[in-house]
Amino acid sequence: SQQGEEDPQALSIQEGENATMNCSYKTSINNLQWYRQNSGRGLVHLILIRSNEREKHSGRLRVTLDTSKKSSSLLITASRAADTASYFCATDSSGTYKYIFGTGTRLKVLA
Amino acid sequence: ETGVTQTPRHLVMGMTNKKSLKCEQHLGHNAMYWYKQSAKKPLELMFVYSLEERVENNSVPSRFSPECPNSSHLFLHLHTLQPEDSALYLCASSQAFARDYNSPLHFGNGTRLTVT
Repeated sequence: SQQGEEDPQALSIQEGENATMNCSYKTSINNLQWYRQNSGRGLVHLILIRSNEREKHSGRLRVTLDTSKKSSSLLITASRAADTASYFCATDSSGTYKYIFGTGTRLKVLA
Repeated sequence: ETGVTQTPRHLVMGMTNKKSLKCEQHLGHNAMYWYKQSAKKPLELMFVYSLEERVENNSVPSRFSPECPNSSHLFLHLHTLQPEDSALYLCASSQAFARDYNSPLHFGNGTRLTVT
């Protein structure tokens, strides 16, 4: 079964609003990462949070991790039209080289 | 440029054809990956190479054959594919410091494959 599942599947907001996406996973992890994918392009790494961290910031991005609930959230503040993309969480399986991705959240930011 | 280059960007092939996808990374990484991305499905990990040795083979059909001649190049050889193999094939690289820790993945822009 897949490791990461994002929620919601699709999200549409107005420019300037905040966007929150959630990710749940099933097994213990070393770290969790968030990626962005623009249509027809490859994925771009946004931020990595380790299993012993609870919160991390990078510019307008804020990621939280709750290992007791096996969940993470990505908050994009003051969204822009350029943030329109699909967002994926990825988790590693301890002791392997596997990064497992979910189906992603499709974010649309309306100008 | 992402540092990971994939060619071709688009490929249309018949079920009896043989073709190859190419990936090259310019980041000095020591691990390379093939992922398959189909509509409305999670990214599927296909193969992982670390230091040119295949370390993961995720139950991929034998009609897909990977090759990693050196740490900078990765190929995916295709033969007798099926229409359901149509997808975006993504190559990625990372720096594997230890078995329990990898750097984030750097992806190419993918090859859009259509099997007719």
